[in-house]
Amino acid sequence: SQQGEEDPQALSIQEGENATMNCSYKTSINNLQWYRQNSGRGLVHLILIRSNEREKHSGRLRVTLDTSKKSSSLLITASRAADTASYFCAFMEYGNKLVFGAGTILRVKS
Amino acid sequence: KAGVTQTPRYLIKTRGQQVTLSCSPISGHRSVSWYQQTPGQGLQFLFEYFSETQRNKGNFPGRFSGRQFSNSRSEMNVSTLELGDSALYLCASSTGGGLTYEQYFGPGTRLTVT
Repeated sequence: SQQGEEDPQALSIQEGENATMNCSYKTSINNLQWYRQNSGRGLVHLILIRSNEREKHSGRLRVTLDTSKKSSSLLITASRAADTASYFCAFMEYGNKLVFGAGTILRVKS
Repeated sequence: KAGVTQTPRYLIKTRGQQVTLSCSPISGHRSVSWYQQTPGQGLQFLFEYFSETQRNKGNFPGRFSGRQFSNSRSEMNVSTLELGDSALYLCASSTGGGLTYEQYFGPGTRLTVT
């Protein structure tokens, strides 16, 4: 069973800056999801992008999906200290298993 | 609506024992899935239940089992515990579409095996 690859593994930025994290996968997918995990709120769904969508926005979040490159990126604009968390991509693997990426640890310094 | 609840939140067990974890999904959600999270292996899918039937299964040994009740509540059981079973066990619920839809996660049960 594969695990999605995410990079960078860790990212440290100043408040107000943008953060970009990437996810790559190997199978064909119907959709790809992004989740955030921090100690206060646990694992929370952020956004879902379908395979026929190239870009999707939700507040300060922008997700892109390139099915030809089998990759997705999550952009957080104007980051805040409260964005400090681990971010995971997730997708369905062949055999109907939900696979999570290894995660990107984001630290936003105030 | 109340969120996904998991009990207990923390658990300490000894090698060889068995453990049962409980998950109550969001009202109206019929899909419940379980995940193991460890620093080394990350988040790994255990299984998904829908309408009291296991619909999907990850790559875990048979020591890991689960069930779902008619009210959609689910339990996960791990028998013959090993040290490597120490992990955060997360439960998530979703609408009927299951794993391809947004998963709502509970706070998790932190299991420590000594």
